[in-house]
Amino acid sequence: GESVGLHLPTLSVQEGDNSIINCAYSNSASDYFIWYKQESGKGPQFIIDIRSNMDKRQGQRVTVLLNKTVKHLSLQIAATQPGDSAVYFCAENIRAGNMLTFGGGTRLMVKP
Amino acid sequence: DTAVSQTPKYLVTQMGNDKSIKCEQNLGHDTMYWYKQDSKKFLKIMFSYNNKELIINETVPNRFSPKSPDKAHLNLHINSLELGDSAVYFCASSQARELFFGSGTQLSVL
Repeated sequence: GESVGLHLPTLSVQEGDNSIINCAYSNSASDYFIWYKQESGKGPQFIIDIRSNMDKRQGQRVTVLLNKTVKHLSLQIAATQPGDSAVYFCAENIRAGNMLTFGGGTRLMVKP
Repeated sequence: DTAVSQTPKYLVTQMGNDKSIKCEQNLGHDTMYWYKQDSKKFLKIMFSYNNKELIINETVPNRFSPKSPDKAHLNLHINSLELGDSAVYFCASSQARELFFGSGTQLSVL
């Protein structure tokens, strides 16, 4: 996952706009990736996942893009709503085991 | 029904004390985990148990001792608490690659 920064990156968007949250991962052996959403006072919740043999996967209002060449993952949220305000984490899983390694997180703030 | 439940939700204690956090999952998963989340929201794996056996033990002080009485439970005992132990501790379980998290225990060491 992304190396830890000194602060939590924040993305501020207007309600109704599209959001794009980015994540760089470091291990080329990773073959599975997950995006999690963590609301205040709660544990992380699964949003969408993607395997390394795909470059795009769509869910309801969310799309994950994977670029293995540059080891980059993005989460796109369409028509962002106030309920999307949370901290978003990417996580990678290396083939050898079940351990998920998390990136540093991005805080998404949605302005009404 | 809560899938992964941990107690307590909040824990405030003095330095030097010993405390435990309990976790139970009703998903029938074989693997359970403890993660620590610091004030900058970084999530770091501490331990992983598969069917009551320890499979991952990251660089964690030996004051932290996990115990799994059965595959549905993974408790975390912490001895001689230090200020730096203040964090949110998350229990999680998995059967495949997706982790299911509890709602966290916020530990504050004074």
